[in-house]
Amino acid sequence: AQKITQTQPGMFVQEKEAVTLDCTYDTSDPSYGLFWYKQPSSGEMIFLIYQGSYDQQNATEGRYSLNFQKARKSANLVISASQLGDSAMYFCAMREGWGDNQGGKLIFGQGTELSVKP
Amino acid sequence: NAGVTQTPKFQVLKTGQSMTLQCAQDMNHNSMYWYRQDPGMGLRLIYYSASEGTTDKGEVPNGYNVSRLNKREFSLRLESAAPSQTSVYFCASSEAGYGYGYTFGSGTRLTVV
Repeated sequence: AQKITQTQPGMFVQEKEAVTLDCTYDTSDPSYGLFWYKQPSSGEMIFLIYQGSYDQQNATEGRYSLNFQKARKSANLVISASQLGDSAMYFCAMREGWGDNQGGKLIFGQGTELSVKP
Repeated sequence: NAGVTQTPKFQVLKTGQSMTLQCAQDMNHNSMYWYRQDPGMGLRLIYYSASEGTTDKGEVPNGYNVSRLNKREFSLRLESAAPSQTSVYFCASSEAGYGYGYTFGSGTRLTVV
């Protein structure tokens, strides 16, 4: 069964510094997608970045990058040059391929609450 | 704006009351989902509908029912609310395939007293 683990319930980072949020996953499906979502205090779920299991390069989106280590089954989110507006809950999630076009359900980790200090 | 619309945004129920959470998407997605979010537990899948006319249980279906009314709409019903169902509920939709993430509604904060 697929599983996502985020071991850091809370993290602090100084403004303008980089921070890494950890995520490990477990699946026996060779085809899967890994996602990171941000949830600010207002509550909405905001998509940040995606990495496919067959992607050779780490995904990047602006200040966000995904450190994908397939053999270790980790998909850490790196936020560079942290801003006060980055303070939020961050969720790692995975969707398996199921071997067809339908795709599995999105399974979430427990989340990491990031606080950016001025 | 294109996206997923959930109603209501807030609701307080008394134990034993019933209610239906409404969800509609205008992105022509086949798949729709209902999640609940509780502190420290991430988002857990309640029910999902892979396509119009089908519904299946997720991780925590007890106490809930769903209806896929048409391709756009997917409702979640609490027949007899319990305090354990106090949570934030999210509806989402997606394209088929593992390369697609979900688009989420803005959430419903439900309190059962």
